[in-house]
Amino acid sequence: EVQLVESGGGLVQSGGSLRLSCAASGFTFSNYWMNWVRQAPGKGLDWMANINQDGSEKSYVDSVKGRFTVSRDNTKNSVYLEMNSLRAEDTAVYYCVRGLVDTVGIDCWGQGTLVTVSS
Amino acid sequence: QTVVTQEPSLTVSPGGTVTLTCASSTGAVTSGYFPNWFQQKAGQAPRALIYSTSNKHSWTPARFSGSLLGGKAALTLSGVQPEDEAEYYCLLYYGGILVFGGGTKLTVL
Repeated sequence: EVQLVESGGGLVQSGGSLRLSCAASGFTFSNYWMNWVRQAPGKGLDWMANINQDGSEKSYVDSVKGRFTVSRDNTKNSVYLEMNSLRAEDTAVYYCVRGLVDTVGIDCWGQGTLVTVSS
Repeated sequence: QTVVTQEPSLTVSPGGTVTLTCASSTGAVTSGYFPNWFQQKAGQAPRALIYSTSNKHSWTPARFSGSLLGGKAALTLSGVQPEDEAEYYCLLYYGGILVFGGGTKLTVL
């Protein structure tokens, strides 16, 4: 069974930093792109970033470029999101999501971790 | 800034058929945008339904289908069940980045 378990969320002050982790199991982690998607309270889904199988390719939405960094450790079956210069508008549930093999898209989602940025 | 637009809300009767659409501010949606569709029920993480326009995941009920319709991506639910009441999101690919639509709240009444 595919499992994605996020951790590292919490309350942080505006301008602060936080590192999210996502532990994967139930599939061959190193074969998949991985994504981060967030959802502000009562709002829709926003794709944030992704990383390819060996970590050599990364993409980000414009609003987090230069502030967020995605990385992975295939030896630990884990993907990370380093978040700096946090703003109140970054308050959201952050989901770790697996990419599809051989095509574009995403399939399996974690349960999410809540990040609250206080101003 | 690229915007993906969905109907904010739709209502359907149990057993009926409804089509949700997904439009791109850049023009007609084609298969090259690799449309994906997701369902999210209150208090839950989203669940993937459709990828690459019309392909179903192994867990996707047969009553859900995806297509391209009039320059938009479309998700059709046939024989709607009460448990289909949820928020539905589309996702489009823009050459390296992904963009979600704003979501459609589907009410089954």
